[in-house]
Amino acid sequence: EDKVVQSPLSLVVHEGDTVTLNCSYEVTNFRSLLWYKQEKKAPTFLFMLTSSGIEKKSGRLSSILDKKELSSILNITATQTGDSAIYLCAVERPTGNQFYFGTGTSLTVIP
Amino acid sequence: DTEVTQTPKHLVMGMTNKKSLKCEQHMGHRAMYWYKQKAKKPPELMFVYSYEKLSINESVPSRFSPECPNSSLLNLHLHALQPEDSALYLCASSQDAPDRANAKNIQYFGAGTRLSVL
Repeated sequence: EDKVVQSPLSLVVHEGDTVTLNCSYEVTNFRSLLWYKQEKKAPTFLFMLTSSGIEKKSGRLSSILDKKELSSILNITATQTGDSAIYLCAVERPTGNQFYFGTGTSLTVIP
Repeated sequence: DTEVTQTPKHLVMGMTNKKSLKCEQHMGHRAMYWYKQKAKKPPELMFVYSYEKLSINESVPSRFSPECPNSSLLNLHLHALQPEDSALYLCASSQDAPDRANAKNIQYFGAGTRLSVL
């Protein structure tokens, strides 16, 4: 059975800290891995990663896929209170249009 | 514009009611999705429409009935729901590229409908 697991489940840090969130997957021949940030309602798209292994960056956020380890990390540097959210990773199955979400990591940034 | 619009934002219904959730996107996406999300859990895929045809039904009970009237609209008809069906229902859309390995099939989500079944 396809599986997407995120760790840690929750994390509390102080403003300015750097955090690393993990996503591991057991999905045969996945097509892509996506990271989302969910605050109160809709998950908002952060990054899409493929087996090319290219690191993606956007401001203080960056993410990379380790195809060998079947995992991805999301790094957030110099965290701010606005980064407090649930971070979800999702893996797209090879047939396309079928996305499975991980358990999510709840991040709380304290001022 | 990456907007997916869902209505209503909140819905309270009794177990004998019939109601519908609506979702709209104007990004030219050809795949649309319904997810159910319970508190502190990840979204669970319910249905996928590809080019207005139902392509995936994740063994969802028949009291949930999806409909895709055209490429921009997606409905979820609700009938005889149970209290355990109370959840956030999220709609999403994506480009739809089942046969193109390198296509950027990014899902964009609506804000959701918070459903309470009494």
